[in-house]
Amino acid sequence: DTGVSQDPRHKITKRGQNVTFRCDPISEHNRLYWYRQTLGQGPEFLTYFQNEAQLEKSRLLSDRFSAERPKGSFSTLEIQRTEQGDSAMYLCASSPDRIVEKLFFGSGTQLSVL
Amino acid sequence: GESVGLHLPTLSVQEGDNSIINCAYSNSASDYFIWYKQESGKGPQFIIDIRSNMDKRQGQRVTVLLNKTVKHLSLQIAATQPGDSAVYFCAENRNAGNMLTFGGGTRLMVKP
Repeated sequence: DTGVSQDPRHKITKRGQNVTFRCDPISEHNRLYWYRQTLGQGPEFLTYFQNEAQLEKSRLLSDRFSAERPKGSFSTLEIQRTEQGDSAMYLCASSPDRIVEKLFFGSGTQLSVL
Repeated sequence: GESVGLHLPTLSVQEGDNSIINCAYSNSASDYFIWYKQESGKGPQFIIDIRSNMDKRQGQRVTVLLNKTVKHLSLQIAATQPGDSAVYFCAENRNAGNMLTFGGGTRLMVKP
């Protein structure tokens, strides 16, 4: 499978715990994005990377959220001290330099905070 | 998988009919538009895209129409099939390639 891969698919955690998600983009794609999606809504932009550089962050990305892409390949998204409002689908996407706007999404990580 | 879009606008069509899904966008500076299909428990899947210098683009069974005057985008699906049942999102590039901004989505239900 050469698409965007996300792990885990589902995560259930208790409020106050930390969680980390991983994304492996399509190998030749230099841009990597994180989006969040709640029920009944379209995906909302969180942040994106060009290679290892994090170039933009949304106001939605509170101080409890941190994303990394240390070697310009896979990325991790960590949420510290989770809150019930963090429950959502976290989607990763990547895009090629040739058409940077054309995002290819993974299947997402569904987070449930109890 | 968990359902996406429990309270979305819904379009119900008969199998074999054509479907038209509409989307309004707000930023006249947007220059790239894209349609995604999202099935329950999955991430959005690319369908078709169009740049603002075009009015129409066709793919396999799908056509996207762009009306920049009224800032309106539509997705036409020919001979709709049960496998087309999903939530459809339009998205626009508002910021010179840095991100896509998504609309609210429409649920398409295909009756056999």
